[in-house]
Amino acid sequence: DSGVTQTPKHLITATGQRVTLRCSPRSGDLSVYWYQQSLDQGLQFLIQYYNGEERAKGNILERFSAQQFPDLHSELNLSSLELGDSALYFCASSESVGGAQETQYFGPGTRLLVL
Amino acid sequence: AQKITQTQPGMFVQEKEAVTLDCTYDTSDPSYGLFWYKQPSSGEMIFLIYQGSYDQQNATEGRYSLNFQKARKSANLVISASQLGDSAMYFCAIRGDQFYFGTGTSLTVIP
Repeated sequence: DSGVTQTPKHLITATGQRVTLRCSPRSGDLSVYWYQQSLDQGLQFLIQYYNGEERAKGNILERFSAQQFPDLHSELNLSSLELGDSALYFCASSESVGGAQETQYFGPGTRLLVL
Repeated sequence: AQKITQTQPGMFVQEKEAVTLDCTYDTSDPSYGLFWYKQPSSGEMIFLIYQGSYDQQNATEGRYSLNFQKARKSANLVISASQLGDSAMYFCAIRGDQFYFGTGTSLTVIP
């Protein structure tokens, strides 16, 4: 158990809908990262928040947004869902802003299926 | 930008034998970190081992060791005394401005 929690574990929804994925980092960790893992794209970095502020952005679509709250939990919002958004979404956390030596610990993931 | 290459899509190993999973990387950063993660069929990503670019010695964590050859830009994972529970996908990653993951190697341990 990494100490990172994600809810829900599974989510089934329809195209065009909007969903919110939630993540709580390990106790004491200030950074939260979101990743998307799909069969054709592999593991893709989406976005990082550090202590409530957006820190880095990866391959995140405009239909997706995220935020980190004062209690450091984070939410990833996915809107206007398409079939291709079906994937495993991971949240990870690390202690600080994320230097080269900083390990990221992953949550169990949310498996999203868009029908 | 950084890049990770894992050239072995699938590997098989006999139980109790050692296995090496290959990973090569490309980066122009002088300071970087190399990580290995395990993803069993249940889906979670489990951190295994870390190697810093300035570390003089190869990292070890229990049955996991990292064969770090900086000049060749390789960071191979060695699993000793394989167990059935080691059957999983293994991902190599490099940390520069962000994490970049390889495409993974599927390891199957045969009884």
